[in-house]
Order: sequence, then structure tokens, then C-alpha cells
Amino acid sequence: SQQGEEDPQALSIQEGENATMNCSYKTSINNLQWYRQNSGRGLVHLILIRSNEREKHSGRLRVTLDTSKKSSSLLITASRAADTASYFCATDANGGSYIPTFGRGTSLIVHP
Amino acid sequence: EAGVAQSPRYKIIEKRQSVAFWCNPISGHATLYWYQQILGQGPKLLIQFQNNGVVDDSQLPKDRFSAERLKGVDSTLKIQPAKLEDSAVYLCASSSEAGQPQHFGDGTRLSIL
Repeated sequence: SQQGEEDPQALSIQEGENATMNCSYKTSINNLQWYRQNSGRGLVHLILIRSNEREKHSGRLRVTLDTSKKSSSLLITASRAADTASYFCATDANGGSYIPTFGRGTSLIVHP
Repeated sequence: EAGVAQSPRYKIIEKRQSVAFWCNPISGHATLYWYQQILGQGPKLLIQFQNNGVVDDSQLPKDRFSAERLKGVDSTLKIQPAKLEDSAVYLCASSSEAGQPQHFGDGTRLSIL
């Protein structure tokens, strides 16, 4: 079974708009990571947020974490056509071993 | 720094044949992961190594899949015999240690006829 589940499954927006993706998980975590995957390529790490953090920024990316709701969101501001990709969250179940579990992903299409 | 290298990039075999994938992680990375990614889904962890020891292989179909990481560096993943449902992209990733950001190779796309 998959720990993290992204929502929505697919998102289509115009260039310049903001894109928000959500991730929900079931059990307590050590940290949560967001990755991007372009078609036919491997995943690329975007942001890692620890369980004791609530918000992190990296360029046009903003990630929030609400451990009480077991959810995270990824906001991409002023989107570009190059942001077109699939986005995945990955969680490490709380405990001594950091074993990652990925969700099914959100497919983002940004129209020029 | 050089990225994670995987080969081959593509492989087509018939069911019941065997196949092997190779991964060279980023130098110095202690943790190595093998994932199976079926079209339209997220990566599913097959096996996680810490140096040359196995941390988790709970989702590895051990009757047909095997993996090793000799000397704690390169790794190979083997399928023998292959089934139709093994058609997928096999991704290798590495991180400096468990829980840290993973660096992925571009994967091997396996097609079973």
C-alpha cells in the first residue's frame, strides 16, 4: 500500500498561474519530500521538510506540512511551461529506519 | 558531480527469460534504492541497501527477483524468470544516507513480450 496520496491526480493550468498539489499520508513520519519527474526521466528532488517544520521555500516552490492533519501541500507560483511534469510526495515512516514510500503523483500540465 | 548511472536504458525480452539491470550510484552515497515504476503510478520500493547490507526488501518478489550490492558501491537487480506484469521502468537511486534526498538515474524501461 502507498503511504502518500497526491491530489489532484491531474492539473491543467495556464502559464503564470499558481499550481497547488496536496499529499495526504496515514502514519507518523520523520520527514516528507517532494520530487518532480519529467516524461521518460528519473525523479528530481525538490524539497525536504522535516516533521517539526511547518513551511519551507525554494525559489518559486512553497511546501507546507500539517502533521495534525497528516497532509502537505506543494505550491508552484508563476508557473512556466517547463514546470510540466509529474509531482510526487515521499514519506519516511517514523522510526529508526528511513524507508521511503511514494504516492501516485499529480500530473501537471502548464499551457504556454 | 556525476549522477546515478543505469544501464541498459531499454530492454525487451520474452516472458520466462532472465534480465539484469546495473546501477552505479553517486560516489560516497551509502544508501542505494531500487524501484519499480509501472506506467501512471509512483515508484514502488523493491529493495534498499545501506552500504552492502539490506535495510528493506519487503516488497521484492524474492521467488523471481534478486539484488546485490557488492563492496557497497555498484548494484545489480535481476529478474528470473520474467512475467508479463514485470513490464515497468526500473529506477535506481542513491542518497548520502537514509532519509536524505535521493538522486535518481533515468531508469531502465523493460518490456516483456
